[in-house]
Amino acid sequence: QSALTQPPSVSGSPGQSVTISCTATTSDVGAFNHFSWYQQPPHTTPKLLIYEVTQRPSGVPDRFSGSKSGNTASLTISGLQAEDEADYYCTSVTNSATWVFGGGTKLTVL
Amino acid sequence: QVQLVQSGAEMKKPGASVKISCKTSGYDFTNNWIHWVRQAPGQGLEWMAIIHPGRDSGRSARSFQGRVTMTSDTSTRTVYMELSSLTSEDTAVYYCARDLAGGWTFDVWGQGTMIIVSS
Repeated sequence: QSALTQPPSVSGSPGQSVTISCTATTSDVGAFNHFSWYQQPPHTTPKLLIYEVTQRPSGVPDRFSGSKSGNTASLTISGLQAEDEADYYCTSVTNSATWVFGGGTKLTVL
Repeated sequence: QVQLVQSGAEMKKPGASVKISCKTSGYDFTNNWIHWVRQAPGQGLEWMAIIHPGRDSGRSARSFQGRVTMTSDTSTRTVYMELSSLTSEDTAVYYCARDLAGGWTFDVWGQGTMIIVSS
């Protein structure tokens, strides 16, 4: 069982905002601010969207934003577009300097 | 630009080993750690291990300890990951990914290598 829990699916209509949560279920990941988010459209390689909770790599639209409260990190996608339909994964480093992924969330754009 | 190019798909029998290569370019090879991540068909991402190229130091997830061996070749800027004692549950796409220095994450990914374990 993953130490990071994500909802299996979320959905939204074009133009709306959606938020995907990522909750650390063990103490060895929750204390850090090293949460990242990845987007993986079908049959493609994962793409880094957010790192260090809130940082966006160059080229990632500002429609994608990250936040954290307690042991839960969140990815918010505003102005939803059809091309945002994908699987989204959170990840974090642990106390033992290993990494763990959340189970993934499938975003459906209605 | 930064690129990670992996070796091609392979089919292996249960009990065998597989060695996947990840050839890098476009950055200082020894400046960034390299991660290995896998994804079984229809499943999520699973972190496997990390290696520092050049030093060949690293660590792996507990579930892979004793089965994964990582090496690097600085002359060809290539990192290798060998997984032994394969079972059908090791059927997956295996990715190498560059560690974003100071970012505690993976910023550039290889294209993936499909490994099928079947008798």
